[in-house]
Amino acid sequence: SYVLTQPPSVSVAPGQTARITCGGNNIGSKSVHWYQQKPGQAPVLVVYDDSDRPSGIPERFSGSNSGNTATLTISRVEAGDEADYYCQVWDSSSDSWVFGGGTKLTVL
Amino acid sequence: QVQLVESGGGVVQPGGSLRLSCAASGFTFSSYGMHWVRQAPGKGLEWVAFIRYDGSNKYYADSVKGRFTISRDNSKNTLYLQMNSLRAEDTAVYYCAKEGVVGATFFDYWGQGTLVTVSS
Repeated sequence: SYVLTQPPSVSVAPGQTARITCGGNNIGSKSVHWYQQKPGQAPVLVVYDDSDRPSGIPERFSGSNSGNTATLTISRVEAGDEADYYCQVWDSSSDSWVFGGGTKLTVL
Repeated sequence: QVQLVESGGGVVQPGGSLRLSCAASGFTFSSYGMHWVRQAPGKGLEWVAFIRYDGSNKYYADSVKGRFTISRDNSKNTLYLQMNSLRAEDTAVYYCAKEGVVGATFFDYWGQGTLVTVSS
């Protein structure tokens, strides 16, 4: 089955830019989606179809996808962005929805 | 606004059964595919099952295939997950989630989850 690999943790100072990667075999050929999950809460969709933002999600959140790596970029990071972030794709070869292992974003 | 409210979680012994429900409102339930996603304590998200808007197609993760059954009642705007032969590793918060648009591969709304604990 398809595997998505994320770094366990990323740390960034307030106001700086955080980049969270999601690796997968030829992931650039798939649509990648990103979710934010704060402690004790349900996940929230922050980016879909590689780079689109749902309504209500700040423009500070953006995404890209090429080759074997997709990236979630959070500009001008705020304390409230501290959360776990998960990438997700649909694997057509197995008709299954796959999540990465998650990345804990720490705002220093 | 879209609301998804899960219920039916609890403590069950290994080998036992449980049925989860997800009551949907704020959108045309019968027009969208629905998912179950779970999260073991302190762990990441794991997709469990999907059902098409009309119930015609269902897909399952290998970890639950043959033990779990997803279903829906469009007249009651409710999604279900029948869980049989439960194991300790099925312990998790179970979320229902709505597909983004028909045929979309992402989840745009999630419920708050219901906790299932499998323990003797």
